[in-house]
Amino acid sequence: NAGVTQTPKFRILKIGQSMTLQCTQDMNHNYMYWYRQDPGMGLKLIYYSVGAGITDKGEVPNGYNVSRSTTEDFPLRLELAAPSQTSVYFCASSSPLAGAQFFGPGTRLTVL
Amino acid sequence: DAKTTQPTSMDCAEGRAANLPCNHSTISGNEYVYWYRQIHSQGPQYIIHGLKNNETNEMASLIITEDRKSSTLILPHATLRDTAVYYCIVRVAVESGANSKLTFGKGITLSVRP
Repeated sequence: NAGVTQTPKFRILKIGQSMTLQCTQDMNHNYMYWYRQDPGMGLKLIYYSVGAGITDKGEVPNGYNVSRSTTEDFPLRLELAAPSQTSVYFCASSSPLAGAQFFGPGTRLTVL
Repeated sequence: DAKTTQPTSMDCAEGRAANLPCNHSTISGNEYVYWYRQIHSQGPQYIIHGLKNNETNEMASLIITEDRKSSTLILPHATLRDTAVYYCIVRVAVESGANSKLTFGKGITLSVRP
C-alpha cells in the first residue's frame, strides 16, 4: 500500500513551458485534492475532485487544469508556466466520511 | 473551520513524552479535532482525530477535555524524527467539496533534542 505518490519530485521550468504533475493513490479514495504551498505559508487549494469524471476549482485555479479519468489518478497540468507558480505542490486524497486527508511527498517546482 | 490557538514552539528530550496543547473554545458540536504534522520539506501527515472521547493510535494519543474547548496531543516517546510543525485543526468529519480544504494555522514547532 503506497498511499499517495507524486512524480516528479523536482522540476525546473522555463517561463512559458508546460508540464503535468502526476498523482496516484491506491486507497480507493473518492476525494482527491491539489494544494500548493509557498515558502513559509499555508496550503492553498488549487483543484479538487469528488470522483472520477468530476472536478472543481479551489481557491487558486488560474493557470492550472486537472482531469480525473480514474479513481486512482489526478494529474495537474500547468500551461504557460510563470514565476508565480514556483511552489511545492501536494496531492492528497480522502474518503468522504473519514475527514482525514493523506498527502503525497510533494513536487518542488521552480519556474525561471 | 473553527479557530484554534497553539503555542508557537516547544521542545522536549528524546524518549520523553511530548504534550502539545491546543485551544478551540468555539468548537461546534459536530466538529472534530484533527492533528496533522509537517516535517521539513515533506507533505503534511495525518496523525489522529477525535470528537469527544480520548483516542489512541500507533502514532499518538489525543486527549479532549470534557467541555471540548481544548485538547492535547501526546507523543509518548518522542524521537528526533518527531521534530516537525504540528497543526491542530477543528472541522466536520464529512468531506464536502471545496469546504473540505484543509486550513493550517501557524501550528506549533516541536523540537526534540538528543
